[in-house]
Amino acid sequence: AQSVTQLGSHVSVSEGALVLLRCNYSSSVPPYLFWYVQYPNQGLQLLLKYTTGATLVKGINGFEAEFKKSETSFHLTKPSAHMSDAAEYFCAVTSNQAGTALIFGKGTTLSVSS
Amino acid sequence: KAGVTQTPRYLIKTRGQQVTLSCSPISGHRSVSWYQQTPGQGLQFLFEYFSETQRNKGNFPGRFSGRQFSNSRSEMNVSTLELGDSALYLCASSLWGSGRDEQYFGPGTRLTVT
Repeated sequence: AQSVTQLGSHVSVSEGALVLLRCNYSSSVPPYLFWYVQYPNQGLQLLLKYTTGATLVKGINGFEAEFKKSETSFHLTKPSAHMSDAAEYFCAVTSNQAGTALIFGKGTTLSVSS
Repeated sequence: KAGVTQTPRYLIKTRGQQVTLSCSPISGHRSVSWYQQTPGQGLQFLFEYFSETQRNKGNFPGRFSGRQFSNSRSEMNVSTLELGDSALYLCASSLWGSGRDEQYFGPGTRLTVT
């Protein structure tokens, strides 16, 4: 079975500060990992994904994440937060066996203050 | 290219009624997945359709069903509505329905059951 744990349901940062959103996964098979962002009253937008290959993955809007197998982690970072980054972020896992069935974490709400 | 569209965007129903939600995937995408989003349970996978066949199903009661048409459009039906079915229902499409694929989400249908 697969699962995802997002540490911290709410993270607050100042504009210009580092953003770090934590995600740990559990999977008995090689995982595919995703980060999605959701703005109020909207669907989910993919920020980045890891399937195979390079473990440091760069995504849209300056976000990146590093797949660390030994730590079963896939933390999301951004060097400098913008006000527009305020949203809810979801980490998700699937696998070759699971098809498109994404298992999501509970989400982390990011607040950015000026 | 047009994104994933879902209709209607908002719906209010009474307990015991049934409801049908519609999803039009991105042109050329053959896989459609459905998710339920609630504050308590978060994002949960309902089912996936590929080439008019249900390929994968989440842990939901039989009151939740779906289908996919030859043009890849999909409908989801919930019978005998319960208060707990109030949620945002998200549809996602992908090109091949592989776990590696990016899934593109629609804006969702907000269902309220009274």
